[in-house]
Formats: sequence, C-alpha cells, structure tokens
Amino acid sequence: DTAVSQTPKYLVTQMGNDKSIKCEQNLGHDTMYWYKQDSKKFLKIMFSYNNKELIINETVPNRFSPKSPDKAHLNLHINSLELGDSAVYFCASSQDMSSGRYFGPGTRLTVT
Amino acid sequence: GESVGLHLPTLSVQEGDNSIINCAYSNSASDYFIWYKQESGKGPQFIIDIRSNMDKRQGQRVTVLLNKTVKHLSLQIAATQPGDSAVYFCAEKGGAQKLVFGQGTRLTINP
Repeated sequence: DTAVSQTPKYLVTQMGNDKSIKCEQNLGHDTMYWYKQDSKKFLKIMFSYNNKELIINETVPNRFSPKSPDKAHLNLHINSLELGDSAVYFCASSQDMSSGRYFGPGTRLTVT
Repeated sequence: GESVGLHLPTLSVQEGDNSIINCAYSNSASDYFIWYKQESGKGPQFIIDIRSNMDKRQGQRVTVLLNKTVKHLSLQIAATQPGDSAVYFCAEKGGAQKLVFGQGTRLTINP
C-alpha cells in the first residue's frame, strides 16, 4: 500500500552509461515531480508533470529526460551519466500544483 | 529570486523538551508553506502546512507559526521524542507554483 514508490533504491554505475529510475504513485494525484538532493541535503526541483504534461523543467541538462506514460507514473531516464549526477533522486506527487508533495523513498545514484 | 533559509543548521535538545526550528523566506508573495521531516535513508515526510491567510496552525505535537511581517516561519515540536531526530525542511510555494526548499535543520535528541 505504498503511496509513492521508486525503483531501484540504489544505483551504482559508471560514467557514460545510460540509466532509468521508475516512479509510481497510487494516490490518484494529478501532478508528479522529480527532485534532486545533493550531499548537503539541498532539495531542488527538476521536473514537474501535470496530467502527463511537462509543467516545470528547471534548466536540467537534456541528458535527463522524464517520461510519463500515464498519470500514475513518471520515469526518469539519464543519458551519458557524469560524476556530478551522483545524488539522491526523489519522486513526489501531489493532488495539484498547489498542494503538498508526497515523496518516494529516494534512489541513491552513484556514478563512478 | 525566491530563497528560503534556516537560522540554524543543527539543533540539539533534551528528550522531553520543546523544539523550535526557524525558517526565513524572502518572497513576500509566497502563499503556502510546508514543513517536512526527513529521516536518514528516507524521503521527506509531510508534517504540517500553513497558508498565508493564517498565522498559526496546530497538529499532533507540532505547531507552525507564520509571521508574514518579518517573513518568518517556525515549527514547534512539543515534548520532543527520540523519533523526532531527523532533518527538518521548510518549503515555500511562490511564483510558478514551484515549491522552494530551505537548506534543512538537523534535530538531534539527547537522552
């Protein structure tokens, strides 16, 4: 009965590889997000989708491509991984853009 | 631009005492504020929110105070317990419906 789930929880990969992180929410929310949390715990929005449409793209490199096959899923694909991509990535959802976000457990990405 | 900051990066309190975590924000147009709790290895967890038409809101053992005059937000935790140990974030919703997070305050409970 997990509200927002992400897979995998840990991801270790080498520079240059392509990887994907999956996210699903079963809350019936219309809006989903990807956040990046750096080593200093700073949380920053990357993308926001509302009803499968991209609403916010916070100047994220185009190596990052979100895909929303339906309202309940928002996956994140990353091409040509770089060392600086190492971080914890959180998926979140909310009823609408004005409501509080519910976060997933996070995916710790380590690029070596 | 919008920015949310915290007065203290770390806070240590005795078990049973009350904790007060402070947050300053810069966007006077922000109309919605949220406090999140993040335990080690987990995602941020919603604690309590407040809209700009209120100055106080209470939950279970938590109270959020909003002072729009000085653009200050605080989270009060009553009778702090070991399970309250976490990093606490304030966040504000301002322009473009974005939620801007502060740096975070690490709360440590001393037995």
